[in-house]
Amino acid sequence: GAGVSQSPSNKVTEKGKDVELRCDPISGHTALYWYRQRLGQGLEFLIYFQGNSAPDKSGLPSDRFSAERTGESVSTLTIQRTQQEDSAVYLCASSLASPYNEQFFGPGTRLTVL
Amino acid sequence: GIQVEQSPPDLILQEGANSTLRCNFSDSVNNLQWFHQNPWGQLINLFYIPSGTKQNGRLSATTVATERYSLLYISSSQTTDSGVYFCAVVGLTGGGNKLTFGTGTQLKVEL
Repeated sequence: GAGVSQSPSNKVTEKGKDVELRCDPISGHTALYWYRQRLGQGLEFLIYFQGNSAPDKSGLPSDRFSAERTGESVSTLTIQRTQQEDSAVYLCASSLASPYNEQFFGPGTRLTVL
Repeated sequence: GIQVEQSPPDLILQEGANSTLRCNFSDSVNNLQWFHQNPWGQLINLFYIPSGTKQNGRLSATTVATERYSLLYISSSQTTDSGVYFCAVVGLTGGGNKLTFGTGTQLKVEL
């Protein structure tokens, strides 16, 4: 596709449930990033994938958060046993090869935990 | 890690006015980007500018890497320019594999 796509656009869930968020990067972009934006805040880094290298998970806030990427394409971010503080917009970005290249963002998934 | 400060935090302009937004950062950078987050939450790429000067229509940006700051200029502002402007960087040393974002400048352009 022309840009980064994410699904769903909105997700409402109950506390304690698991959720999966999906990201489709720009074709040809080997680097993929997940960020989180809480209401009225800037973006916080969560995780980075580059090709077949081990992902950089240094931004994941707890072991309830995990992410996978299939080759150089789709990525899923999974949040287990959701808590109210997980409510945020989750944004995915992609770039060529490394973080030193321009990153392009998807429209985000707005997650609300009741 | 690298620190990013943006100023002013809030700005109200009359349509047609010009403005300058500033981004200071605490270390050398390999990547610096300016984004506009529109009222629907979409992050729109404005400039990729780790150094130098670029222009795109009514917008231009300058990064003085040796002095660790970047400026975003908006000329002849329009109501559609409203939203939040973010500066984000990747630090050269210990920056990790991520963009570190400033807290943004909230811009409102009034008729």
